[in-house]
Amino acid sequence: SQTIHQWPATLVQPVGSPLSLECTVEGTSNPNLYWYRQAAGRGLQLLFYSVGIGQISSEVPQNLSASRPQDRQFILSSKKLLLSDSGFYLCACEGWGNMDYGYTFGSGTRLTVV
Amino acid sequence: TQLLEQSPQFLSIQEGENLTVYCNSSSVFSSLQWYRQEPGEGPVLLVTVVTGGEVKKLKRLTFQFGDARKDSSLHITAAQPGDTGLYLCAGSTGNQFYFGTGTSLTVIP
Repeated sequence: SQTIHQWPATLVQPVGSPLSLECTVEGTSNPNLYWYRQAAGRGLQLLFYSVGIGQISSEVPQNLSASRPQDRQFILSSKKLLLSDSGFYLCACEGWGNMDYGYTFGSGTRLTVV
Repeated sequence: TQLLEQSPQFLSIQEGENLTVYCNSSSVFSSLQWYRQEPGEGPVLLVTVVTGGEVKKLKRLTFQFGDARKDSSLHITAAQPGDTGLYLCAGSTGNQFYFGTGTSLTVIP
């Protein structure tokens, strides 16, 4: 089964500053990768997904962008953060986990824009 | 947009009680997953159901996929404090997963 590494765990950034969140995957090759954002205690909003190197699909127009420079690396970026970008960001990989087929998630990044 | 509504949104019960969480949609899904998420962590996959009417059991948890593959339920027997968390359902159309609105469960010792 695959493992997702996501960092940093927490981040406090001023409005207008840039952002780079990184996600790497172990245990699989050519995975479908996803970036989600989660409001406190609620469901997940899909931001971007990628089916391969350099292939990015955006679900929600926003202040963010994503890139996939390597097969098992997925990066979420912003040139200038807004207050509304605050949230819990999760990277996910689709495939067979320990129990069943679905998503394996990273441990998340709590972003606070001040 | 594929909308998955979960109910109840919040649930607080005493240890030892039984509970059921529902996940409903007007859309048909090829499969449906259930996840549990603890605060500050990513969701963890509990089960995937793929056949209409399918029932899967995972210890004290019972998952059922509706006959029409539009809805699902999660039943927990004799809830324990370790069951506390946010429960999320997610439906797949084959191209993408759509997540439900979430049910926050608190089991009081």
